[in-house]
Amino acid sequence: DADVTQTPRNRITKTGKRIMLECSQTKGHDRMYWYRQDPGLGLRLIYYSFDVKDINKGEISDGYSVSRQAQAKFSLSLESAIPNQTALYFCATSDPRLAGTGELFFGEGSRLTVL
Amino acid sequence: QKEVEQNSGPLSVPEGAIASLNCTYSDRGSQSFFWYRQYSGKSPELIMSIYSNGDKEDGRFTAQLNKASQYVSLLIRDSQPSDSATYLCAVRWAGNQFYFGTGTSLTVIP
Repeated sequence: DADVTQTPRNRITKTGKRIMLECSQTKGHDRMYWYRQDPGLGLRLIYYSFDVKDINKGEISDGYSVSRQAQAKFSLSLESAIPNQTALYFCATSDPRLAGTGELFFGEGSRLTVL
Repeated sequence: QKEVEQNSGPLSVPEGAIASLNCTYSDRGSQSFFWYRQYSGKSPELIMSIYSNGDKEDGRFTAQLNKASQYVSLLIRDSQPSDSATYLCAVRWAGNQFYFGTGTSLTVIP
C-alpha cells in the first residue's frame, strides 16, 4: 500500500460543483502539502499544513480551501469548481527531522477534469 | 517573489551521453535544493538533494550547487533510455515551503 494515498484518482465534474480531494498518509509526518500540476507550469503550491492547527496559503490558494482533520489526513476542497481548475493534483508530506533531506513524499495524484 | 527557473527543453541526448539540466532560483535565503524525476503519468520521486556549494555525486547523477550565482544543476552520465522523464528542480525556502521549476523533459535516444 502507498504511504501517501489520494482519493479519488480520477474525477470528472461540472462547473459549479463542490469537489473534495482527500489525502491520507501512514508516514507519520506532521507536514502536508497540496500542489497542482499543469502542463508547462510545473508544480504550484496551493496550501500547506505543518500540524493540525496550522494551515497556510501557498502560491495559488484562491478558489481552494483545505481541512486538516488529523495528523494523517489533509483534504482539498473546490467549493465551486471551474474549468481552469482542471489539473493533476498532488498531496505530499515531509518530515524535517529526517536526517539529510527533508524531502517531499508524493501521493499518486488525483486527476480532476471540470467541464 | 520566489522563482525557480529551469532550462526550457525539451532535451534530447543519445544513449551514453551526458545530459545537463540547469536551474536558477531567485531567493538567497533558500536552504535546500532537490532534483525530482517524474515519469509520464506518475508522481515525482526524489533523485538528488544538495545543501552546500560544490558537487554531490550519486551513481550516474551529479548535482552541482553555486549559491553565489543562485544556480543548481544536474548531470546525468551514461544516459540510458530509462532516464527519459521530466526533471523538476525544487527549492526549499526558510519556512519549509517547497517551490518547483516548470521541469525539463529529457529524452534519451537509443
